[in-house]
This record gives sequence, structure tokens and C-alpha cells, in this order.
Amino acid sequence: GAGVSQSPRYKVAKRGQDVALRCDPISGHVSLFWYQQALGQGPEFLTYFQNEAQLDKSGLPSDRFFAERPEGSVSTLKIQRTQQEDSAVYLCASSLGAGGNQPQHFGDGTRLSIL
Amino acid sequence: GENVEQHPSTLSVQEGDSAVIKCTYSDSASNYFPWYKQELGKGPQLIIDIRSNVGEKKDQRIAVTLNKTAKHFSLHITETQPEDSAVYFCGRGAQKLVFGQGTRLTINP
Repeated sequence: GAGVSQSPRYKVAKRGQDVALRCDPISGHVSLFWYQQALGQGPEFLTYFQNEAQLDKSGLPSDRFFAERPEGSVSTLKIQRTQQEDSAVYLCASSLGAGGNQPQHFGDGTRLSIL
Repeated sequence: GENVEQHPSTLSVQEGDSAVIKCTYSDSASNYFPWYKQELGKGPQLIIDIRSNVGEKKDQRIAVTLNKTAKHFSLHITETQPEDSAVYFCGRGAQKLVFGQGTRLTINP
């Protein structure tokens, strides 16, 4: 497909478990973003990559959250020792260039439920 | 601050009528203002965007207006159709986007 692909679509984990969420951006897109969307709210920024470099991680809620994009394409968001408040939809977006003010194209997200 | 205020939170419109959603912001440095449509179980879909050097942009039934002096921008949907029913989010920023709280738009046939 031509769009941003995220997997899994749904993830259920017990509190305390570690989870890994995957994002395949649009091919050739330089910039990649992760957002967290709580129920009934707008997406909230977590972190931003330009190629493999993580340029902004100011939105990561705690040091339990870690993101990487080692080859400048696929990205993984990892959450360690999950807690109930981590339950949300995690959205990935990509944009073509390195500069700002460009359209961000979103995937359909991973819905994470922590029991 | 960073917040974007979006109003109304819910909007119900008769099919064929127009819908208007407004957002205000406080960060003077913002130069990019996208609008997204989100359907249930899907990711946000970009429907239109505007940059700060432009006051208005139109794409078929959808238009966005920007008043940088007053720091507000609005989404206008004309001739609404049932498939326009969704949650709409405004955003502002450069790389990092800050979103409003969303407007649930319902088009009544």
C-alpha cells in the first residue's frame, strides 16, 4: 500500500509488560512522527525523527517510552513496564521533507489496552 | 502557550447546509495550520491546510480562512453530505503539530 502502515492494529497487555509498536512510513518520507491519542481527545505529540536522527523527544511522557528508527525507515515505539494510563491509540505519521510546514500523513494507529 | 482551542465540540447540521469550525491559538510563531478528518477506527486524514502567508484556501466544498493578527482560523464545509460526518481536528505548528480537542460533526439527512 501507499500509506503509512502500523502494526499491530490492536494490542492488549497486562500491566508491567513491555510492548513494541511498529510504523512503516510512506516510502521515501524523511520525517516520521509519533503521537498519542486518548479517547475523545486530539493527538498529542510524542517524538520526531528526521531520517534516523531523533530530533525531538519532548513529548515522551516518561523514560519508560523509547522510540527508534535505526535505518531511517521503519520506526518502533517501545513502552516498558506498561501502566494503565498508557492505554491509548498510538499514531504514526510521516512527511516527505526535512523541513517543517509540510503535510503529515497518518496511519490508522495501534490501539493499546493495558489491563 | 501551546494549546489550540477548538469550537464547537459537537455540531449537528442539516444535509445541504454549511458547517463552520473555529480554532484559536496563542503561539505567534505558528506558520502551518492543517485540518484533519477522523472517522471511527481510522487515523486522521488531512483534508486541507494553509500557511501563514495566505488568508484563505479553497478545495471544492472545503475552505479554510486564517487571521494571523487575531490568531484564529476556521474550516468551512458547504453543501454538507452524510459522508462528511466525522470528528474534525485543527492543528498548528511546524514539525511538531499541536491539535485542538476535536469537533464531532453530524450531518442529518
